[in-house]
Amino acid sequence: AIQMTQSPSSLSASVGDRVTITCRASQAIGNDLGWYQQKPGKAPKLLIYAASSLQSGVPSRFSGSGSGTDFTLTISSLQPEDFATYYCLQDYNYPRTFGQGTKVEIK
Amino acid sequence: EVQLVESGGGLVQPGGSLRLSCAASGFTFSSYWMTWVRQAPGKGLEWVANIKRDGSEKYCVDSVKGRFTISRDNAKNSLFLQMNSLRAEDTAVYYCARDSGFGGKDSFDIWGQGTMVTVSS
Repeated sequence: AIQMTQSPSSLSASVGDRVTITCRASQAIGNDLGWYQQKPGKAPKLLIYAASSLQSGVPSRFSGSGSGTDFTLTISSLQPEDFATYYCLQDYNYPRTFGQGTKVEIK
Repeated sequence: EVQLVESGGGLVQPGGSLRLSCAASGFTFSSYWMTWVRQAPGKGLEWVANIKRDGSEKYCVDSVKGRFTISRDNAKNSLFLQMNSLRAEDTAVYYCARDSGFGGKDSFDIWGQGTMVTVSS
């Protein structure tokens, strides 16, 4: 199975900060990657699909980039509602695999 | 309203069985691949299984092969996960999700609220 490694595992940031989360695949996966946001006690929410396509309704401060093995989720200006855990998911092959998550906390 | 509602979770002894259901409404269920994702307490997300629109293709993670079976009833707008030979490590919240397939990629755009499965004696 393809291993997805996110970094960092957690970070502390302030409102207005630019935040970058990285996801690395154990083999090349093209652009077959999505990003999800999850808040405590809630179901995940789709943010980005196909590595860089913004899901409808998701604020434009979220962006995704990368291809092959290295991917990035960027929040250009962190808002209070963005404090959550973020996961990448590869859909290049089966079984699909998530990264371990990155928790974004308030500094 | 587009919605997914899971049911069927609960407490079961090791080696036991449960059948999870996911009722879909507000969209044409038969037009979408569907997926189960689980999350153990305090842990990250784990993809469990998915099924094609007509049920003709199914895939699952190795840890549940031979024990879990995903199925669907398009006439009843329902997705199922039959879980047999349950183990303590299957304890998790189980989510069903719709795969909209945007851009030809997995894109789980609609999720249920989750149902808790606890495997313990």
